[in-house]
Amino acid sequence: KAGVTQTPRYLIKTRGQQVTLSCSPISGHRSVSWYQQTPGQGLQFLFEYFSETQRNKGNFPGRFSGRQFSNSRSEMNVSTLELGDSALYLCASSLRVDGSSYNEQFFGPGTRLTVL
Amino acid sequence: EDQVTQSPEALRLQEGESSSLNCSYTVSGLRGLFWYRQDPGKGPEFLFTLYSAGEEKEKERLKATLTKKESFLHITAPKPEDSATYLCAVQALNAGNMLTFGGGTRLMVKP
Repeated sequence: KAGVTQTPRYLIKTRGQQVTLSCSPISGHRSVSWYQQTPGQGLQFLFEYFSETQRNKGNFPGRFSGRQFSNSRSEMNVSTLELGDSALYLCASSLRVDGSSYNEQFFGPGTRLTVL
Repeated sequence: EDQVTQSPEALRLQEGESSSLNCSYTVSGLRGLFWYRQDPGKGPEFLFTLYSAGEEKEKERLKATLTKKESFLHITAPKPEDSATYLCAVQALNAGNMLTFGGGTRLMVKP
């Protein structure tokens, strides 16, 4: 069974630009969560999408947004990039049969974003 | 606010030297505690989920245990390939699918 895939794997942008990252979950998984990992703050939750709806959001500014498509694939967007947005962005998928079920989350390899 | 603290931050072991990693947590109602392994430049790899105090799970040289305040990851007779960062995360009952992570323990096993 294929794992979680993320594209692109590496990205270099300049301040003020915007970026879109993509995540394809494990086949059959309906929930996609996004996390930011930095050396200083560690792994921090951004948001979760389930059934094309944002279900939960972490403590990040509105410049960070996302969406989920009917095939469960998800994208996250960061507008007006800042130097501090340089990080490894990780996507995790979980089964979530319905809104009240919670399962293990399996992570993709991440997208390394560098903001210059 | 949910908090997870892992100790030590870094641990150096000789091959075959058993040890334990600690994960202390405070959470407003625990749904589950998760252990992950992360190699440099890769995403975290799922290891275990623990749901209630007293629960234990094993996988090869790893054994995870859970109490009401902390979890331990015991590594028995480690090998160099066990070198990685081990991450602990909690999921609270009122936080949906969100995981709150600790800072990790960087384990180095020397041959």
